[in-house]
Amino acid sequence: GENVEQHPSTLSVQEGDSAVIKCTYSDSASNYFPWYKQELGKRPQLIIDIRSNVGEKKDQRIAVTLNKTAKHFSLHITETQPEDSAVYFCAARGGSYIPTFGRGTSLIVHP
Amino acid sequence: SAVISQKPSRDICQRGTSLTIQCQVDSQVTMMFWYRQQPGQSLTLIATANQGSEATYESGFVIDKFPISRPNLTFSTLTVSNMSPEDSSIYLCSAVDNWNTEAFFGQGTRLTVV
Repeated sequence: GENVEQHPSTLSVQEGDSAVIKCTYSDSASNYFPWYKQELGKRPQLIIDIRSNVGEKKDQRIAVTLNKTAKHFSLHITETQPEDSAVYFCAARGGSYIPTFGRGTSLIVHP
Repeated sequence: SAVISQKPSRDICQRGTSLTIQCQVDSQVTMMFWYRQQPGQSLTLIATANQGSEATYESGFVIDKFPISRPNLTFSTLTVSNMSPEDSSIYLCSAVDNWNTEAFFGQGTRLTVV
């Protein structure tokens, strides 16, 4: 089955800095890669996703890149703000349509 | 995307008892899942709830402990049976509304077994 590794487990940045979270996956058949943000006590919510036919996607301060050859994808958050503090999960999904989640990254943005 | 209502949002239960968690989606969805999330941990898939047939369980999870129902395309239940303190966790319902979209989640059920 699919295996998704996510790093780092914790990321601490100053407000205004950039944050990068990286994930690797094992199944070359995976073709959809969503990113979820989970604030404390709340449900995970999709913030951005990318499909295997695209190398990069951007939405305001958030961008995701995908390298299919290397089987890795990354989340980039620019100009971080305290409200970006949360746990971020990457996921990979292939033919089974069941997403496999990474272990999560706790992002802390210091004012 | 569709909206999932999950209840109860939290409960404190005595060991040895069972709790049934309900998940209602406001539109028909293709797939429904149940996850467990320990505090500060990732999402562990318990099972895929199949409409009209037995759920598909992941390794380490069995039907006797976590019976699941999905009588139609908008509703599912997860029962945590014969609970012990080790079952204390957050349980999340998730759904995919068609093959080409992301999964979305219910608000979770925080279960404490005493």
